[in-house]
Amino acid sequence: QKEVEQNSGPLSVPEGAIASLNCTYSDRGSQSFFWYRQYSGKSPELIMSIYSNGDKEDGRFTAQLNKASQYVSLLIRDSQPSDSATYLCAGFNTGNQFYFGTGTSLTVIP
Amino acid sequence: EADIYQTPRYLVIGTGKKITLECSQTMGHDKMYWYQQDPGMELHLIHYSYGVNSTEKGDLSSESTVSRIRTEHFPLTLESARPSHTSQYLCASRTDRANEKLFFGSGTQLSVL
Repeated sequence: QKEVEQNSGPLSVPEGAIASLNCTYSDRGSQSFFWYRQYSGKSPELIMSIYSNGDKEDGRFTAQLNKASQYVSLLIRDSQPSDSATYLCAGFNTGNQFYFGTGTSLTVIP
Repeated sequence: EADIYQTPRYLVIGTGKKITLECSQTMGHDKMYWYQQDPGMELHLIHYSYGVNSTEKGDLSSESTVSRIRTEHFPLTLESARPSHTSQYLCASRTDRANEKLFFGSGTQLSVL
């Protein structure tokens, strides 16, 4: 079983809509979670981190964490074509290692 | 903005050559990592280091070696490159504190002919 499961997509949303990206994790002891954005041919760029249950908002991005359900999500409001990328869910496990999901490809259609 | 640098950005070489991919960070981070990523695929951890003179192999055996003689420098060496080594190589670093974020360099795209 992979430590992080993400729907690989592709996910397509119209410009201005809300994009919802989800991931589940297996290590119940994991405390920290991150969302990275990766454009094609580029390296991952950190966009959100979340450590506590609930929501964390930063501009158009909202990360949500539910430790009881072992579920992490990222909402992107007012989606723009420039948001088109692959989004990687990552966690930090009890073995002191980062682990990454396979990523969800998002396309925002103008 | 993270200060982690990788060179070269692109490299095309022939089979059998020895190559070293450079990675340096100016943030004083103790922990450094090398990942390999094929297009559209997940990241695979190939090596990591928790400090000077500390190196460990990751999940993917890539027939490469690393060294950590200085905190800021974590080069990756392929003794004899093969076409199967063609991939993107990403260097990353973070502090030793709990919950600290992982920052990536811009990557090296390697093509072995």
